[in-house]
Amino acid sequence: DVVMTQSPLSLPVTLGQPASISCRSSQSLVYSDGNTYLNWFQQRPGQSPRRLIYKVSNRDSGVPDRFSGSGSGTEFTLKISRVEAEDVGVYFCMQGTHWPPTFGGGTKVEIK
Amino acid sequence: EVQLEESGGGLVKPGGSLRLSCAASGFTFSAYAIHWVRQAPGKGLEWVSSISSSGRYIYYADSVKGRFTISRDNAKNSLHLQMNSLRAEDTALYYCVREGGGRYSYDYWGQGTLVTVSS
Repeated sequence: DVVMTQSPLSLPVTLGQPASISCRSSQSLVYSDGNTYLNWFQQRPGQSPRRLIYKVSNRDSGVPDRFSGSGSGTEFTLKISRVEAEDVGVYFCMQGTHWPPTFGGGTKVEIK
Repeated sequence: EVQLEESGGGLVKPGGSLRLSCAASGFTFSAYAIHWVRQAPGKGLEWVSSISSSGRYIYYADSVKGRFTISRDNAKNSLHLQMNSLRAEDTALYYCVREGGGRYSYDYWGQGTLVTVSS
């Protein structure tokens, strides 16, 4: 199985400051159709996960533009340009290129 | 509005069985593959099983293969997960999720149903 490794595990941030989460895969996530199926999810406390980003950099409808995704191959990043209080929660990356789909262990974002 | 509503969770003894259900609404259910993803208490996410839009293609994680059976009824907009020979390590919140926006990409999640396997 493809191993998804996220860092850091915990990310204390100051309101209004940027934040960055890294996700590394054990194999390239480029699929045979040329797409890279790397997703980012946000899970607020007590809620179900919500997808923020799909195919590396495509923001879902309703997701604030302060969230952005980038990367290629095996290295990916989720950035929050200016953290707001509602961004507190756990962020997961997930790959859909290789079967079975696998998730990163999560990064907990909290306010300093 | 897309909605996925799970039910059927509960407390069961090791070796026991449960049948989870997922009721879908707000979209053309028969056009989408649907998956089960679980999350053990305080832990990360694990893909469990998937079924194609027609029900023809079915896949399982190695950890549940031979014990769990996924099925769907497109006429009733419903999905099921029959869970047999349950183990303590199956204890988790089970989410019904819709695949949309790409290969194994999950655009909508239910609220989850909790399965607890304990004697």
